[in-house]
Amino acid sequence: GENVEQHPSTLSVQEGDSAVIKCTYSDSASNYFPWYKQELGKRPQLIIDIRSNVGEKKDQRIAVTLNKTAKHFSLHITETQPEDSAVYFCASRAPGYSSASKIIFGSGTRLSIRP
Amino acid sequence: DAGITQSPRYKITETGRQVTLMCHQTWSHSYMFWYRQDLGHGLRLIYYSAAADITDKGEVPDGYVVSRSKTENFPLTLESATRSQTSVYFCAISQTGGEAGAFFGQGTRLTVV
Repeated sequence: GENVEQHPSTLSVQEGDSAVIKCTYSDSASNYFPWYKQELGKRPQLIIDIRSNVGEKKDQRIAVTLNKTAKHFSLHITETQPEDSAVYFCASRAPGYSSASKIIFGSGTRLSIRP
Repeated sequence: DAGITQSPRYKITETGRQVTLMCHQTWSHSYMFWYRQDLGHGLRLIYYSAAADITDKGEVPDGYVVSRSKTENFPLTLESATRSQTSVYFCAISQTGGEAGAFFGQGTRLTVV
């Protein structure tokens, strides 16, 4: 079945440095790729997304890139700050043509920012 | 965020009992999802629904039952709870089946003893 692989599972970076999280998806029909941030004890929240007709998208210190040929997409956080510490999830979604459209998540990356 | 509500927030139940987790939305979004979150497994899809009376199995549906008689409600029932079903359960909603993300409820922490 469809799956999304996410790496690394844990990541520790110095405050001010950049962090990169990578994901690979299996369903070639996937055309939407959201990223979620989950703080301890809270619900996952959508922070950025990218559609298959776009190669890169930026929102302040966060950027996502998509390589459809390789079925890879990545989250880049620049100038990391303590409040960036959280678990990050990538996800993929294929359109619902012959069946309903589901959202499949990666296993998560725990990002820690060292002061 | 107030548009999706899960209840109860916390539940302790005994092995073998039936328990139902509720999810209610006020936005009339067509799609609703149930995920479970366990350490090391991320968010795994249990069941999802594209509209009232339409439900589909996700990655880990065994031991769970869902129904969606009304657009706004999507209850998840554990027919005979097992310890392996101890988890945090999240309900999520999505406006469409296309290029749209999901918004999550606050979660229900279920402990099966």
